[in-house]
Amino acid sequence: GQQLNQSPQSMFIQEGEDVSMNCTSSSIFNTWLWYKQDPGEGPVLLIALYKAGELTSNGRLTAQFGITRKDSFLNISASIPSDVGIYFCAGQVSGAGSYQLTFGKGTKLSVIP
Amino acid sequence: DSGVTQTPKHLITATGQRVTLRCSPRSGDLSVYWYQQSLDQGLQFLIQYYNGEERAKGNILERFSAQQFPDLHSELNLSSLELGDSALYFCASSVGSDRKQPQHFGDGTRLSIL
Repeated sequence: GQQLNQSPQSMFIQEGEDVSMNCTSSSIFNTWLWYKQDPGEGPVLLIALYKAGELTSNGRLTAQFGITRKDSFLNISASIPSDVGIYFCAGQVSGAGSYQLTFGKGTKLSVIP
Repeated sequence: DSGVTQTPKHLITATGQRVTLRCSPRSGDLSVYWYQQSLDQGLQFLIQYYNGEERAKGNILERFSAQQFPDLHSELNLSSLELGDSALYFCASSVGSDRKQPQHFGDGTRLSIL
């Protein structure tokens, strides 16, 4: 199936540093979502973006919906140990009642105290 | 807690067998989605139901089937199981009629085929 190109695949950062990850696609999406997954749990929604150019924040997290509608990025500022996990981007093209998500392969974040 | 409940949490079975995974959506959500997460393929959409009717189909194998019942819970049936079916299976739910009401995921069922 179709996949989004998410990078980087993994990151090791020091506590307090800022983090940036992004997602690109050859297809247009009308919704971009960012999820975080901890071991043994399901993906948890962090931020949802619905309009090209939109910039949305959730605490220390900021995400943007690219102008071309083919990309999105997520920034985490002043990282803390509990930010550790796998971050997934997901794109959605909604139509005819279908809301299926296409996921990136994830960015595994490790935070060194 | 997302409000989406999946059972069982773990399932171990043998090749050739059949299993049923169950999902209860969040209160008020009419749409249920099934996803498969494997190491090599990542998270892949399988199928979506809305108020009992199939709405969208992804790369779901013919050996797999799903349904949504009048009380809105859903079941994913996997038959003639193969080693490659070992994966995490997630259910998500949403209102299903508004793209601005995003999907929320359960904690998954880990299926291991021996």
